[in-house]
Amino acid sequence: GENVEQHPSTLSVQEGDSAVIKCTYSDSASNYFPWYKQELGKRPQLIIDIRSNVGEKKDQRIAVTLNKTAKHFSLHITETQPEDSAVYFCAASIRGGLTGGGNKLTFGTGTQLKVEL
Amino acid sequence: GAVVSQHPSWVICKSGTSVKIECRSLDFQATTMFWYRQFPKQSLMLMATSNEGSKATYEQGVEKDKFLINHASLTLSTLTVTSAHPEDSSFYICSAWGTGLAGGLTRNEQFFGPGTRLTVL
Repeated sequence: GENVEQHPSTLSVQEGDSAVIKCTYSDSASNYFPWYKQELGKRPQLIIDIRSNVGEKKDQRIAVTLNKTAKHFSLHITETQPEDSAVYFCAASIRGGLTGGGNKLTFGTGTQLKVEL
Repeated sequence: GAVVSQHPSWVICKSGTSVKIECRSLDFQATTMFWYRQFPKQSLMLMATSNEGSKATYEQGVEKDKFLINHASLTLSTLTVTSAHPEDSSFYICSAWGTGLAGGLTRNEQFFGPGTRLTVL
């Protein structure tokens, strides 16, 4: 089955700096890579996702890059703010046709991001 | 649109009792629901996948007789933890995917419930 590794496990940055979180996956059939932000005791929230036919996607301060050949993808957060502090999870899945969303997600181990003032 | 609810949000029970957790899609039809378990400071681990009207598919290492899943309708799935023990204490989260009646659901995103904190004494 799919195995997703995530690094680093913890990341501290100064407010305004950039943060980068990296993930690798094992199953070359995976073609959908979402990133989630989870605050303590709350549900994961999708912040950005990318499909395998795209190399990069950006949404304001958040961007994700994907290298299919190397089987890794990264989350980039620029101009970090204290409210970005949370645990971030990457995930991988195989999507296909109309049932694409019904395929299971394999999560990375998580990164605790702390943005310091 | 695309709201998923869970009930209860937290529950405390005695060892040996059974606990039922409900997961509902409020404004869309959930063809598939997933159940995850998350221990403190750990990742979400998929327990099982359930499709409406079918038996759930359990991940390796998850006891299907202990974690009973029912997905009898397109808007409701239940997880019953039978004969719960302290090691079952965890955060249980469901997610749902399906075709949308509102909000223009894409085919990609799963929508997560708020989670249920189970504490077994």
